[in-house]
Amino acid sequence: SAVISQKPSRDICQRGTSLTIQCQVDSQVTMMFWYRQQPGQSLTLIATANQGSEATYESGFVIDKFPISRPNLTFSTLTVSNMSPEDSSIYLCSVAREADNEQYFGPGTRLTVT
Amino acid sequence: GNSVTQMEGPVTLSEEAFLTINCTYTATGYPSLFWYVQYPGEGLQLLLKATKADDKGSNKGFEATYRKETTSFHLEKGSVQVSDSAVYFCALRHQAGTALIFGKGTTLSVSS
Repeated sequence: SAVISQKPSRDICQRGTSLTIQCQVDSQVTMMFWYRQQPGQSLTLIATANQGSEATYESGFVIDKFPISRPNLTFSTLTVSNMSPEDSSIYLCSVAREADNEQYFGPGTRLTVT
Repeated sequence: GNSVTQMEGPVTLSEEAFLTINCTYTATGYPSLFWYVQYPGEGLQLLLKATKADDKGSNKGFEATYRKETTSFHLEKGSVQVSDSAVYFCALRHQAGTALIFGKGTTLSVSS
């Protein structure tokens, strides 16, 4: 399995500010993903962040709003920029291991924007 | 595009009742199929999976069979427990190296 940690676990932020979420994995993985889970909703893929290439964003998500870094095979950051209350969600980091065809999830970062 | 459709919740059952949560998918080719569970206050956990047609995934008394002809992957359990109360997500992966696509989730509440 893969053990994933995220920081911070939760935060309350003012509108107009930015928050950077860190994701650390205990093993090297090529494929890393960022999801958003709005209150009472399912998981929506924000972007795929593979090391060595630019992040690929899903429809409805743009780099200026959600810039992502992937400096190495065990770490990534997601920034939520110029936040509004609509950005209040749980943000989850996820990795896929080719060895077992499974996808693992971090504990999530619960963001509240006031 | 690829998508997953789950039955709407919440599902409310008494302990020891039979559970079915329907899941159908739309995808080209042969995706891998998954059920994830999210217990209250906890993170997302893989419950079971199936990677090819007619495969049956099973774990903790839950089962689901990959039905290509009906594009379905329904989750079943013969006798639910209060501890099974959680949100259940059906998901697919179209091909290796791509991200999971999730259904909307089904909330299960089991009472004693």
